[in-house]
Amino acid sequence: DAGVIQSPRHEVTEMGQEVTLRCKPISGHDYLFWYRQTMMRGLELLIYFNNNVPIDDSGMPEDRFSAKMPNASFSTLKIQPSEPRDSAVYFCASSFRRGREKLFFGSGTQLSVL
Amino acid sequence: AQTVTQSQPEMSVQEAETVTLSCTYDTSESDYYLFWYKQPPSRQMILVIRQEAYKQQNATENRFSVNFQKAAKSFSLKISDSQLGDAAMYFCAYRSNNQGGKLIFGQGTELSVKP
Repeated sequence: DAGVIQSPRHEVTEMGQEVTLRCKPISGHDYLFWYRQTMMRGLELLIYFNNNVPIDDSGMPEDRFSAKMPNASFSTLKIQPSEPRDSAVYFCASSFRRGREKLFFGSGTQLSVL
Repeated sequence: AQTVTQSQPEMSVQEAETVTLSCTYDTSESDYYLFWYKQPPSRQMILVIRQEAYKQQNATENRFSVNFQKAAKSFSLKISDSQLGDAAMYFCAYRSNNQGGKLIFGQGTELSVKP
């Protein structure tokens, strides 16, 4: 298996533009997580899905952020409009079941909003 | 809501020595798991060790071991015989076995290893 695949690896955009981050989880995994990592706030859980259904989106910072999981093999995180404070590394992770199962992380998307 | 706290933003250890990274958590649940993840400069997240809350025995993985104190809600990581390759950011994480399997991280501890 190729692991969790995120794209793009780097994204540079201007303030006000729409940004879409993509994630392909590992086949067979039923949990998918989106995290944001910054120096100031560490790893923040934004939202997670179970069987394609959003379970908890309480970490989504504001209405400018939205996430979807239309099927078991694809998820997107969209920011519209983007702001400089959104600059961070965004990770997608997936796991099989819950509990003791570890998360498999993608390589992250480094987002810079100018 | 569950929280995870790592009170040491940075730690340093001499090569071949032992270092302990602290982690505390808050939860009202009884069924959960605890993890330590390592993040080197490559950004890759690597599972170091995990602990089931229902087990009293502390988990060990080679040079890595934990001190799990359930009543105190403490979960520290001990690295023995530290190596240069251990230098990384270390994250403590809590995963509920209820509430949909939510997993949350502490703020991280950056470990440097001196030769």
